[in-house]
Amino acid sequence: SAVISQKPSRDICQRGTSLTIQCQVDSQVTMMFWYRQQPGQSLTLIATANQGSEATYESGFVIDKFPISRPNLTFSTLTVSNMSPEDSSIYLCSVVSRSGANVLTFGAGSRLTVL
Amino acid sequence: QKEVEQNSGPLSVPEGAIASLNCTYSDRVSQSFFWYRQYSGKSPELIMSIYSNGDKEDGRFTAQLNKASQYVSLLIRDSQPSDSATYLCAVLNYGGSQGNLIFGKGTKLSVKP
Repeated sequence: SAVISQKPSRDICQRGTSLTIQCQVDSQVTMMFWYRQQPGQSLTLIATANQGSEATYESGFVIDKFPISRPNLTFSTLTVSNMSPEDSSIYLCSVVSRSGANVLTFGAGSRLTVL
Repeated sequence: QKEVEQNSGPLSVPEGAIASLNCTYSDRVSQSFFWYRQYSGKSPELIMSIYSNGDKEDGRFTAQLNKASQYVSLLIRDSQPSDSATYLCAVLNYGGSQGNLIFGKGTKLSVKP
């Protein structure tokens, strides 16, 4: 499976600020996925990051709040903008595993706490 | 709203017993189903995938799928304390992009020595 590096692993942020999470994959992948796992909740897909085109956002998530960059086939960033305590969550980068279609491999996640 | 439902647990079983984890899903046309294991503070990792009705076995793990009942289960035989984790059921979002999975909230399993 692909090896995914995410940073920061955790951060404490002030309300109203923005934070960018980086995701690096050890191989070229067409699509990268950004998920959110809020406390006690299921993983929810935020958006799919495609190289060379705009990210595709799921219902309830908008580009102004979660801008995504995908400059090449191994790297993506997710920014959480104008943070509020409700954004306190774990954000996970993932890619489709080489082991099978639709099987996801996840990064270690970025745990954000917004005060 | 497409949903995946799991009993949150905690499910407690003694070491060596069979742990049975259950999941139901709302979208009747779903075709691909996954079980992920998530240790506390770690990211999810794939345990099993299943695409056809019936049973699929991999070592101590057996996934069972019944599309007519919209039901997926995971059996863990000879449970070990190292199996203690949260188990996430996931369904491929039919009509969504590859990798677009709908997850349940997970069942926390505790295996007592």
